[in-house]
Amino acid sequence: SAVISQKPSRDICQRGTSLTIQCQVDSQVTMMFWYRQQPGQSLTLIATANQGSEATYESGFVIDKFPISRPNLTFSTLTVSNMSPEDSSIYLCSAATGGHYEQYFGPGTRLTVT
Amino acid sequence: AQRVTQPEKLLSVFKGAPVELKCNYSYSGSPELFWYVQYSRQRLQLLLRHISRESIKGFTADLNKGETSFHLKKPFAQEEDSAMYYCALPGGATNKLIFGTGTLLAVQP
Repeated sequence: SAVISQKPSRDICQRGTSLTIQCQVDSQVTMMFWYRQQPGQSLTLIATANQGSEATYESGFVIDKFPISRPNLTFSTLTVSNMSPEDSSIYLCSAATGGHYEQYFGPGTRLTVT
Repeated sequence: AQRVTQPEKLLSVFKGAPVELKCNYSYSGSPELFWYVQYSRQRLQLLLRHISRESIKGFTADLNKGETSFHLKKPFAQEEDSAMYYCALPGGATNKLIFGTGTLLAVQP
């Protein structure tokens, strides 16, 4: 298994600004993922982040709005750019080790955009 | 296309009653299925995976390929089982998972 931490745990931001969320894993992992989760709702995958290559975005999500970095095998960042109130959500980071589908999740970042 | 369906948004049972959380799937080939649980104010965590054929916290889930189902069962519900439960399966070449919409289990005293 892997232990995942995220920073910040929550933030309140003004519309038009950007927020970068950090995700740290306590061991090297192959795949890292970023999700969005509205309170009480299911998870929506934003993108898959691989080290050494560009992130793979899901339908409806674009790099200009959600740029992702994956500089090494234990760390990734997600930036929410030019925020609007519709971006208010919980953002989750997860990780999977090589060849395995099961994912381990961070505690989430609760973002409120005013 | 791969898909996971959890038909119940909310399942309310009394303590000691049996629980069955339904999950149906659509998948080409032999799927690897998971149940995740999210307790109040806690992170999403893996509960069990079908390939392990294990029982975790009294929960079991059997893959039924004929009915394309992976229902989660527990014979006697406890109040601490109250949580959001998600069924998931692999979604493609990037090792991503597709999650169902989730079922909120509420165990009444």
